[in-house]
This record gives sequence, C-alpha cells and structure tokens, in this order.
Amino acid sequence: GAVVSQHPSRVICKSGTSVKIECRSLDFQATTMFWYRQFPKQSLMLMATSNEGSKATYEQGVEKDKFLINHASLTLSTLTVTSAHPEDSSFYICSAIPFGGAGTDTQYFGPGTRLTVL
Amino acid sequence: GNSVTQMEGPVTLSEEAFLTINCTYTATGYPSLFWYVQYPGEGLQLLLKATKADDKGSNKGFEATYRKETTSFHLEKGSVQVSDSAVYFCALSPYSSASKIIFGSGTRLSIRP
Repeated sequence: GAVVSQHPSRVICKSGTSVKIECRSLDFQATTMFWYRQFPKQSLMLMATSNEGSKATYEQGVEKDKFLINHASLTLSTLTVTSAHPEDSSFYICSAIPFGGAGTDTQYFGPGTRLTVL
Repeated sequence: GNSVTQMEGPVTLSEEAFLTINCTYTATGYPSLFWYVQYPGEGLQLLLKATKADDKGSNKGFEATYRKETTSFHLEKGSVQVSDSAVYFCALSPYSSASKIIFGSGTRLSIRP
C-alpha cells in the first residue's frame, strides 16, 4: 500500500514551452503533498508544500509564477513548469502524506520525473 | 540553520561485508532523523528513523543510533547483500516526516557478488 506515482517519468521539451508533471496517490488520500527538486549528485531540495484546496506554500527562492502547483483533489497534485529553460532541467520528485489513519506521519515518495529542456 | 552532511559515494563493497555510511547533522532544537533508500527505478522509501537522542532505528538488518553529543546518525549493516545496492539518503525533520524534510546528498552503494 501507500504508492505514489508520477507521470511522465521522463520528458524532453523545447525552451519556452510549459510542462505539466502529475503526482498521484494511488491507494490513499493525501491532503498534503510535497514537491522536491534534485540536481545531479546533490540533495533533494523542497520546492513547495501543496495542500488540497488551497494555495501552495513555496520555499524561499522558488518562483511561484515559474512553478505552478495545483492540488485539486485528494489524490492528485500537479506541477507545471512554465516557459521552461535549460536551467530548469532537473529531477522532480513528489511525496504525499496519507490523510487520517495509520501512516499519517510518513511521507511516501513518487519515483520522480526527469525533465530535460533543450 | 538545519543541514545534513553524509559521506560521498560511490561505495562499493563485496557481499557479506560490513557497511557504515556516515551522517552528521546541524539542527536547532530536537529534530527527527531518518534514513531513506532509493532502489533503481523506484521512489524513496523510509528505511528507518529515530525521533529522540539515543534512540536506535532498525529495519532489514540496518541500524542507526541518534547521537546528540556527536550530532550523528551513522547507518550500519553487519553483512550486506547484492539486493542492498541503492542510493541512501540521510535526512532530518524539525518535527516528524509529516513536515519539511532536509536531505543529505545521498550515497550510492554497490555490492559485488
């Protein structure tokens, strides 16, 4: 149980286009999801906290107009990278916390999405 | 501020060898400490955790002890297997894993048969 999926797993796009990444909790509901970014051989860095039905909370230095987050349901959060540029190329990972019941103090992670901007 | 430093990899060991991956942290207050593992092609999984000083987290033969005096949370396993090959992340959270997590840079472990 407690599986989180991400789609797509890999995406290549041209500079200036927008890319949407989906994060789904497959067998549980999640009021809170997190979006992380990982550069090669570096730590995962938290970008934002996504709460169902409200605006996301962004970490310092993360452009909210650049990285649009929508958490419209208890099983889906989306990250849209707008007007992508090569420096946005990275590995994006989401995590989700189950709503209520057991395991509500544990984050479950998706497998990540590799974004390459040409 | 809060930060995590872990030994750089890659680490390559033979099967049945003893494993230590060092991790030290800087934090205000009393954070919870975690080890996450990422197997090839999969998402991060919580391997073990400790929420207060002197606690020992353990799972799948891995252990780590929360040492406040040395601000360390080193990961150990007495006899590694090929299936342990993965990337291991040390991490901390000011409260619990339900809140913001700060990760180390990860250590890639490869086990030779």
